[in-house]
Amino acid sequence: AQSVTQPDIHITVSEGASLELRCNYSYGATPYLFWYVQSPGQGLQLLLKYFSGDTLVQGIKGFEAEFKRSQSSFNLRKPSVHWSDAAEYFCAVGQGFSGGYNKLIFGAGTRLAVHP
Amino acid sequence: DTAVSQTPKYLVTQMGNDKSIKCEQNLGHDTMYWYKQDSKKFLKIMFSYNNKELIINETVPNRFSPKSPDKAHLNLHINSLELGDSAVYFCASSQRSGGRGETQYFGPGTRLLVL
Repeated sequence: AQSVTQPDIHITVSEGASLELRCNYSYGATPYLFWYVQSPGQGLQLLLKYFSGDTLVQGIKGFEAEFKRSQSSFNLRKPSVHWSDAAEYFCAVGQGFSGGYNKLIFGAGTRLAVHP
Repeated sequence: DTAVSQTPKYLVTQMGNDKSIKCEQNLGHDTMYWYKQDSKKFLKIMFSYNNKELIINETVPNRFSPKSPDKAHLNLHINSLELGDSAVYFCASSQRSGGRGETQYFGPGTRLLVL
């Protein structure tokens, strides 16, 4: 069955430090992968997605993610974290159905705290 | 302009009551979804509609009944509310044609608390 694992439930970094959030997936075919961010009390916003081509994907807010098929991973990175990046981060894989429909299977999320 | 909107934002109610949550998208998308986020922040799909037709129905109690009057609206009605229904419910929409690579756009969520 398709699944997404985010091994880190909670991460704390200092402002200005680099960040890497881990995501591992299990999917039989070529995965379509997404990172969403949820700020406190808010909905989910797409940071970036991968479905083909360059394995290093650039997103909004200075985030990037690298798809590594051999490791079944899609880790999210940012070189310098800002206090406003404190939020919940969700990795997801798109599961398709005939007819072009799809649903997202989410990981459990990683809560990021940023120290000043 | 809000792309995907939900009402109400907060909903506090008693066990046994019936309540509805409304969702509207102005993105011109064909497909809409309901997701449930539990107290541990885990997100799981409940339903999906494409152009008013139900296409995904996960194992959700039949107390939950989605209704799509047109492709821009997807409402969620919940009968006989239970304590375990307390959660945040997110509506989302996407174009159908992109399949599993298509981006889903989420609403702000409705925080339901059943007392």
